[in-house]
Amino acid sequence: KQEVTQIPAALSVPEGENLVLNCSFTDSAIYNLQWFRQDPGKGLTSLLLIQSSQREQTSGRLNASLDKSSGRSTLYIAASQPGDSATYLCAVDFNKFYFGSGTKLNVKP
Amino acid sequence: GAVVSQHPSWVICKSGTSVKIECRSLDFQATTMFWYRQFPKQSLMLMATSNEGSKATYEQGVEKDKFLINHASLTLSTLTVTSAHPEDSSFYICSARDLRASGGRSTDTQYFGPGTRLTVL
Repeated sequence: KQEVTQIPAALSVPEGENLVLNCSFTDSAIYNLQWFRQDPGKGLTSLLLIQSSQREQTSGRLNASLDKSSGRSTLYIAASQPGDSATYLCAVDFNKFYFGSGTKLNVKP
Repeated sequence: GAVVSQHPSWVICKSGTSVKIECRSLDFQATTMFWYRQFPKQSLMLMATSNEGSKATYEQGVEKDKFLINHASLTLSTLTVTSAHPEDSSFYICSARDLRASGGRSTDTQYFGPGTRLTVL
């Protein structure tokens, strides 16, 4: 059975810090990996999609890397802001998506 | 990017009634759609894979007779929660797989709907 694990489960930091969120998965045969943001009571907002053949993707202050051989992905958030506070979900596409349990981020002003 | 819609966005129903949720791909055809469920403070769990023109494939532990899935066209999949009970109250999210070719390259991306919040009284 495919498993996706995210650490830490929760993170609270002061504004301005650079952050690293971690995602690990048990099978290297993936189609792609996607990072999402979810605000309380809301749906998913896609942040970055990394195809199987890629090693990283960048969008603004966000950078996501993918290392299939080690089964890991990291989401790097630069210069965090209070508006970044949300739950961040890692989803791995093994021909169907399996989600990690998420990292709940709180950025304090 | 591609857009996937869900209707309704929220629904409240009485115990024992059935509720239908629609998932539509608005600007692409999706032979495969997926249904997820998210309980409070938990992550998304895949319920089933919906295949156009054939029966859905359910994940282990999901009752196929309770959660009826119909993928009648390339842009529409429906999830019907039959005889709903309070424990079925959850956030239901669908996704649609986009396999279009672009610029000589094929893409394989899933787009997620905004979700439907079901509350069963």
